[in-house]
Amino acid sequence: KQEVTQIPAALSVPEGENLVLNCSFTDSAIYNLQWFRQDPGKGLTSLLLIQSSQREQTSGRLNASLDKSSGRSTLYIAASQPGDSATYLCAPTTGANSKLTFGKGITLSVRP
Amino acid sequence: EAGVVQSPRYKIIEKKQPVAFWCNPISGHNTLYWYRQNLGQGPELLIRYENEEAVDDSQLPKDRFSAERLKGVDSTLKIQPAELGDSAVYLCASSSPWDGTKNIQYFGAGTRLSVL
Repeated sequence: KQEVTQIPAALSVPEGENLVLNCSFTDSAIYNLQWFRQDPGKGLTSLLLIQSSQREQTSGRLNASLDKSSGRSTLYIAASQPGDSATYLCAPTTGANSKLTFGKGITLSVRP
Repeated sequence: EAGVVQSPRYKIIEKKQPVAFWCNPISGHNTLYWYRQNLGQGPELLIRYENEEAVDDSQLPKDRFSAERLKGVDSTLKIQPAELGDSAVYLCASSSPWDGTKNIQYFGAGTRLSVL
């Protein structure tokens, strides 16, 4: 059974700081891995999807990397802004059924 | 284009009462998912539909939960009777294997259920 860990549970940083959010998973036989953002009281928005054959994906100030063999992924946020404050969840996809397994998320607060 | 639409946004009921949630997926998306998200946790899959067929319902508590997706479009998730532990956010998502970003799941805003 896939288990996903995201540590720490919460993070507070000053505006402008570069930061890294970590994700680890136990079953390396993944199809792909997604990073999602969730604002309070809202649904999830997909930020980046990395295929299992890829090492990283970039979108604007976001860069996600994947080391499938070690069961790790990181989300790098450059020049953080208060608008980046949200909960960030990672979710590897496993099996032919493409099942997403979510971590508990990291709640990020960017202070002005 | 409209995203995944869920209603109601909030529901407060007393325990042992029935409750139903409704989801309208993105047009053309043949895969629909229901998730439950407890406070401080990530979403957990309850059931997945391919068109009108439930292909993965292994995590659905079938003694009190039921779901249907008539005509392979809209879906409803029902709880009867509700228990205190059912308080959570119920999220619906949809995806299509035909778009360029396979398996991207698009989520609705969710229904927040409080059972008193």
